[in-house]
Amino acid sequence: QVQLVQSGAEVTKPGASVKVSCKASGYIFTDYYIHWMRQAPGQGLEWMGRINCNSGDTDYAQKSQGRVTMARDTSSSTAYMELTRLRSDDSAVFYCARGYWESLDDFWGQGTLVTVSS
Amino acid sequence: SYELTQPPSVSVSPGQTAIITCSGYKLGDKYAWWYRQNPGQAPVLVMSQDSKRPSGTPERFSGSNSGNIATLTIRRTQAMDEADYYCQTWDGSERDVVFGGGTKLTVL
Repeated sequence: QVQLVQSGAEVTKPGASVKVSCKASGYIFTDYYIHWMRQAPGQGLEWMGRINCNSGDTDYAQKSQGRVTMARDTSSSTAYMELTRLRSDDSAVFYCARGYWESLDDFWGQGTLVTVSS
Repeated sequence: SYELTQPPSVSVSPGQTAIITCSGYKLGDKYAWWYRQNPGQAPVLVMSQDSKRPSGTPERFSGSNSGNIATLTIRRTQAMDEADYYCQTWDGSERDVVFGGGTKLTVL
């Protein structure tokens, strides 16, 4: 069955970086995009960007530009999202989801809580 | 940038019909998707391309999209339908996926 399994919770300091992984299984990894979203406590979903798991091409939301990098490793069917120069307001649950260029489908990771605190 | 607007909350009595709206400029010219999120859980797709139900979505759920408004309609609403609902589309000019702010559905 299709699964996306994300890496575990992280606690990090302002100014540092965090890298979250999303390991896919149960489907052909390169046939889909992986999208990344974040959700601050009590807030809505915010799209951060997408990666074409075949070509590696990326699109980032304007708000994320300059601080986010998405990558994938086709040999391990794993997508990565790295966020740099962390601030306290970056504390959130980060989700990966399988999808297409314009949408996400029914398979999401379980979420990764990132806490930024001095 | 493109924006989607949802009412923060909708309340409905059990057995009645809940209507959750999502508005955006010429949204009817695009497709809309809807996701349900229960507390502490990842979102789940409940409606695709305006009105296509994924296999796990009950037939009580329907969707439409015309003009500037997409609508998710839940008939015979049950307590288990209580959740946050998010609409989603894309901004073709900026290539972004866009989410609405979410609607908390309360079944009183």
